[in-house]
Amino acid sequence: DTGVSQNPRHKITKRGQNVTFRCDPISEHNRLYWYRQTLGQGPEFLTYFQNEAQLEKSRLLSDRFSAERPKGSFSTLEIQRTEQGDSAMYLCASSRWTSGDEQYFGPGTRLTVT
Amino acid sequence: DQQVKQNSPSLSVQEGRISILNCDYTNSMFDYFLWYKKYPAEGPTFLISISSIKDKNEDGRFTVFLNKSAKHLSLHIVPSQPGDSAVYFCAASEGGKLIFGQGTELSVKP
Repeated sequence: DTGVSQNPRHKITKRGQNVTFRCDPISEHNRLYWYRQTLGQGPEFLTYFQNEAQLEKSRLLSDRFSAERPKGSFSTLEIQRTEQGDSAMYLCASSRWTSGDEQYFGPGTRLTVT
Repeated sequence: DQQVKQNSPSLSVQEGRISILNCDYTNSMFDYFLWYKKYPAEGPTFLISISSIKDKNEDGRFTVFLNKSAKHLSLHIVPSQPGDSAVYFCAASEGGKLIFGQGTELSVKP
């Protein structure tokens, strides 16, 4: 399977704990995106990378969130000191380098903060 | 401030008939529009896209229409099939990132 993969698929954590998610994009894709989706809403942009460079972060993104793509391949999204409001589906997508190219999404990581 | 809006949360159509899903946007700088389909517990799946310099794009049973003056796009599915039942999201591209609408849940009844 050469699609976008995400791990873990589900994560349950207690409030205040740190969590880290991983995304492996389609291998020839330069761009990698993170989105968050809550119930009844569309995915909301968080941040994106072109190769290893983080090009944009949403203004809505708390300082508790950080993302890396160290070698321009896989990416990690870390949430520190989780809060109940962080409970959501975290989606990763990848695309080639032009803005007109469609983004291909992974299955997501469902985070539940108790 | 919702830049991309799908005002119909749900739509029900009969198998074989046309499904029309609508989307409105506010930012005239959007350069690309896309439709995605989503099943529960899966990520969105790309369906079809259209550049802002075109007004129609067709792919099999799916056609997307863009009306720039009205800042409106629509997705037509004809004929609709029960397997098309899913949540459909329209999205606009702004410098590469996508801005999504809230989604419309389509139910196609046999």
